[in-house]
Amino acid sequence: QKEVEQNSGPLSVPEGAIASLNCTYSDRGSQSFFWYRQYSGKSPELIMFIYSNGDKEDGRFTAQLNKASQYVSLLIRDSQPSDSATYLCAVKPPGGGNKLTFGTGTQLKVEL
Amino acid sequence: DAGVIQSPRHEVTEMGQEVTLRCKPISGHNSLFWYRQTMMRGLELLIYFNNNVPIDDSGMPEDRFSAKMPNASFSTLKIQPSEPRDSAVYFCASSSSGAETQYFGPGTRLLVL
Repeated sequence: QKEVEQNSGPLSVPEGAIASLNCTYSDRGSQSFFWYRQYSGKSPELIMFIYSNGDKEDGRFTAQLNKASQYVSLLIRDSQPSDSATYLCAVKPPGGGNKLTFGTGTQLKVEL
Repeated sequence: DAGVIQSPRHEVTEMGQEVTLRCKPISGHNSLFWYRQTMMRGLELLIYFNNNVPIDDSGMPEDRFSAKMPNASFSTLKIQPSEPRDSAVYFCASSSSGAETQYFGPGTRLLVL
């Protein structure tokens, strides 16, 4: 079992719709969870992170965490063509330190 | 302020040659990370440093890979000898102490023929 799993996609949504990206992780002791966006040919950039169960909102983005189910998701409201990118889920394993384990990413396509 | 700087941006070399990738972290950041990204394996952490000291090198694939951080503003990742399976994009990232955000450089696209 991979430590961090994501559906590779592509996930296609129409402009203005809600895009839902999902991620599961294997280490139950993980404490911090991150969503990065990576445009084709570019480097990853952090969108948001979440520590606690529940929802965290930042503009059009909402991260959702369910530690019991070992599941973290990212919702993008009012999707725009500029949101088309690969979204990487990352998990900080227990034990401290700054190490992140990344999923392989989900490609999102927002269609006009 | 300048972001993370990596050089070269592209490298094409032949199998068996030595490859050296360079990284300058954001000024004031004390953590530095080297990642490798491929289609098959995604983004993998190779090694990271705190205050110029290697903390975790468990992701370094084998002895052909080595990394150094001689000072707070410079790090190298060396592959010797290089092999075609080393072809990937290599990213350097940095962060400041206690901060969650890692800032990635533009990456070095390595092709080993």
